[in-house]
Amino acid sequence: NAGVTQTPKFQVLKTGQSMTLQCAQDMNHEYMSWYRQDPGMGLRLIHYSVGAGITDQGEVPNGYNVSRSTTEDFPLRLLSAAPSQTSVYFCASTPPGAYEQYFGPGTRLTVT
Amino acid sequence: GQQVMQIPQYQHVQEGEDFTTYCNSSTTLSNIQWYKQRPGGHPVFLIQLVKSGEVKKQKRLTFQFGEAKKNSSLHITATQTTDVGTYFCAGPEVGGAQKLVFGQGTRLTINP
Repeated sequence: NAGVTQTPKFQVLKTGQSMTLQCAQDMNHEYMSWYRQDPGMGLRLIHYSVGAGITDQGEVPNGYNVSRSTTEDFPLRLLSAAPSQTSVYFCASTPPGAYEQYFGPGTRLTVT
Repeated sequence: GQQVMQIPQYQHVQEGEDFTTYCNSSTTLSNIQWYKQRPGGHPVFLIQLVKSGEVKKQKRLTFQFGEAKKNSSLHITATQTTDVGTYFCAGPEVGGAQKLVFGQGTRLTINP
């Protein structure tokens, strides 16, 4: 198993641009989530999904969209990038019936 | 809302000294988890505690879950440079299925 994969590893955007951060897992996990990590702020939940076709907002959803058309993929879309979205983004998945989360390697995003 | 607090936020020790981080939840938890994030890396699941008063050991790491299931601690005996990183605790959000609430983390640095 490749586990949780994320692309790209690094990205620089200009204010107003849009982009999609990719996340995929090959462990057949139903629950997937997106976090952002900023210095001193810990991990903050952006959006999550309990299965294909089902998504919901987390703590900081504004400026982000998600979709879950398959169990494997959970992309995060930035609609119109802002400097406040400069952060490290982690995708995670959780085995059925469990709570522990398996994180991807992260995407470091800079918005200028 | 539900909060998970960790102290201290930072800890610097000499190699060989012990280290402890504490985690307190505003609500009773069904379980608590600990994660380690190396500098530049992603959070990695270490352990889950479920029972009141539970103590688990992983080599030099000792994890405790409080009797009231609202607090937890991680103790590292005789730190080594490989222990450097940020340690997070996390507990399930009340009524939130598999959603986790993370503490802000304790960043451990070690002087060799």
